[in-house]
Amino acid sequence: SQTIHQWPATLVQPVGSPLSLECTVEGTSNPNLYWYRQAAGRGLQLLFYSVGIGQISSEVPQNLSASRPQDRQFILSSKKLLLSDSGFYLCAWTQGGTTYEQYFGPGTRLTVT
Amino acid sequence: KQEVTQIPAALSVPEGENLVLNCSFTDSAIYNLQWFRQDPGKGLTSLLLIQSSQREQTSGRLNASLDKSSGRSTLYIAASQPGDSATYLCAVGGNKLVFGAGTILRVKS
Repeated sequence: SQTIHQWPATLVQPVGSPLSLECTVEGTSNPNLYWYRQAAGRGLQLLFYSVGIGQISSEVPQNLSASRPQDRQFILSSKKLLLSDSGFYLCAWTQGGTTYEQYFGPGTRLTVT
Repeated sequence: KQEVTQIPAALSVPEGENLVLNCSFTDSAIYNLQWFRQDPGKGLTSLLLIQSSQREQTSGRLNASLDKSSGRSTLYIAASQPGDSATYLCAVGGNKLVFGAGTILRVKS
């Protein structure tokens, strides 16, 4: 069966510090991968998605970037965090070319102080 | 631009009651519609997926319907239990999903 992991689970970082969040999927190959942010009182916002290694599409211009160095690994980064980057970050995957049913990871709670 | 609205924003019901959550979307050209459950501080759990050619899907006490022409979906929960308390999210799209803001459900024992 497929499993999706995210780490860290929680993170408290000062403004201006760098960020690296990691997501890995097990039990599947060539998945489509997604990064979402859920801010307090707001819905899920799609940040990035990837259909393959090195292929990244950005949905919202912002202070963040994403990379996919391996088939089942998706990384969310920032060089300098802003207060507005605080939120709950969720990684998701789907098997491209099928029903596109999305499956989500446990999330990372990021607080920028 | 696709917009997804969920009504009500919050709902509180006594245990055992049947209930309906509503989802509406503005662009009927969707590939599928997916209902999720989110517990506080947790990720999303997929409940039901309805492909655009389907009218409904059922899983246990849950039944979801889809009416593409009117841009609406409902999630029916039968015989609600306290363990059903969570936020329920509706999302439409295909390769990329657009989410509603969710309905916060509380089932009182």
